[in-house]
Amino acid sequence: RKEVEQDPGPFNVPEGATVAFNCTYSNSASQSFFWYRQDCRKEPKLLMSVYSSGNEDGRFTAQLNRASQYISLLIRDSKLSDSATYLCVVSPYSSASKIIFGSGTRLSIRP
Amino acid sequence: NAGVTQTPKFRVLKTGQSMTLLCAQDMNHEYMYWYRQDPGMGLRLIHYSVGEGTTAKGEVPDGYNVSRLKKQNFLLGLESAAPSQTSVYFCASSSGPSRASYNEQFFGPGTRLTVL
Repeated sequence: RKEVEQDPGPFNVPEGATVAFNCTYSNSASQSFFWYRQDCRKEPKLLMSVYSSGNEDGRFTAQLNRASQYISLLIRDSKLSDSATYLCVVSPYSSASKIIFGSGTRLSIRP
Repeated sequence: NAGVTQTPKFRVLKTGQSMTLLCAQDMNHEYMYWYRQDPGMGLRLIHYSVGEGTTAKGEVPDGYNVSRLKKQNFLLGLESAAPSQTSVYFCASSSGPSRASYNEQFFGPGTRLTVL
């Protein structure tokens, strides 16, 4: 089993739709969780951190479920510019070598 | 404030040739990383450094060497390139564990390497 697993997609949804991705992780000691966004042929960029209480940034909401060991990303009112690959990142707080990236979920928004 | 920069952006090598990829950051970050990204594999850690003069192996270190002689620079070397090293290489940096957001990584634009 991979340490971090994501549905690779692609998710193909119409503009304005709500879309959600999940990411499961296997290490229960994981402390830090992030969603990164990667545009085609570009570097990953931090989209948002994921806090235990959940957090929201505009149209984006991230949730953490420690009991079931998954994090989620919800995108409301999707825009064409949201088309990208979304990477889930999991890490124990203290180890620089244990930052694990998921292989990404590809999202395509159609007009 | 350039963030993280990488040189070169593209390179084509023949099997057995050597090269060095340079990563530079101007954010005074302690931690620096080298990753490779292959289709369907996600980002895999090659080597990392937690401070000037220190380096450590990541998940896929074989065939690569690194050096961190200056805090702002992290070099990745391929001594004898192989076709299996064809990939996109990303450098990243982050602040140390004294900050709550230390795991937030800032990435360079990547180097696309092809080994024939």
